[in-house]
Amino acid sequence: AQSVTQLGSHVSVSEGALVLLRCNYSSSVPPYLFWYVQYPNQGLQLLLKYTSAATLVKGINGFEAEFKKSETSFHLTKPSAHMSDAAEYFCALFLTNTGNQFYFGTGTSLTVIP
Amino acid sequence: EAGVVQSPRYKIIEKKQPVAFWCNPISGHNTLYWYRQNLGQGPELLIRYENEEAVDDSQLPKDRFSAERLKGVDSTLKIQPAELGDSAVYLCASSFGRAEAFFGQGTRLTVV
Repeated sequence: AQSVTQLGSHVSVSEGALVLLRCNYSSSVPPYLFWYVQYPNQGLQLLLKYTSAATLVKGINGFEAEFKKSETSFHLTKPSAHMSDAAEYFCALFLTNTGNQFYFGTGTSLTVIP
Repeated sequence: EAGVVQSPRYKIIEKKQPVAFWCNPISGHNTLYWYRQNLGQGPELLIRYENEEAVDDSQLPKDRFSAERLKGVDSTLKIQPAELGDSAVYLCASSFGRAEAFFGQGTRLTVV
């Protein structure tokens, strides 16, 4: 069955430190994978997406993610955290074999400590 | 280009009352999604439309929820009657083909 698991519902980093948010997926077909960010009282905004091209994907605001098929992972990283990065982050799996269906993880809340 | 527009942004109603949410997707997007997001959780699909056809409504509580997408553009989601447990953020999203989904800002529903 298809699923998305985000390890760590809350992550805290110091300003300037590396951000690492973990996402593992389960899919019987080649997946499309997305990372979305949600600021308070806002909808979800696309950070980046993997659609079977380059395994290292660069997104907005300095974020990037690497697709690792052998590990079924799609972790999100940013070399240096900024206060404005504090938000909720969602990893999503997109499958087309059962229609255009998104499966979201439960989210990771990122806190940036000054 | 305008994004996905939802209204209202906030709604407070008493239990057993009806409520409706409206969504205007991005022009040209044939797929429209309604999601419910409970506090501290990820979005959960309620219904997905391809053009005007509801192709996945398996998670929609049909005893009290209904949705429509007339002419394959705008969509409304209705709850009647609302229950306390329906308090959540209702998100609308749209996409075209296999591209990413674009989300509206959501409607925060509080049932008291």
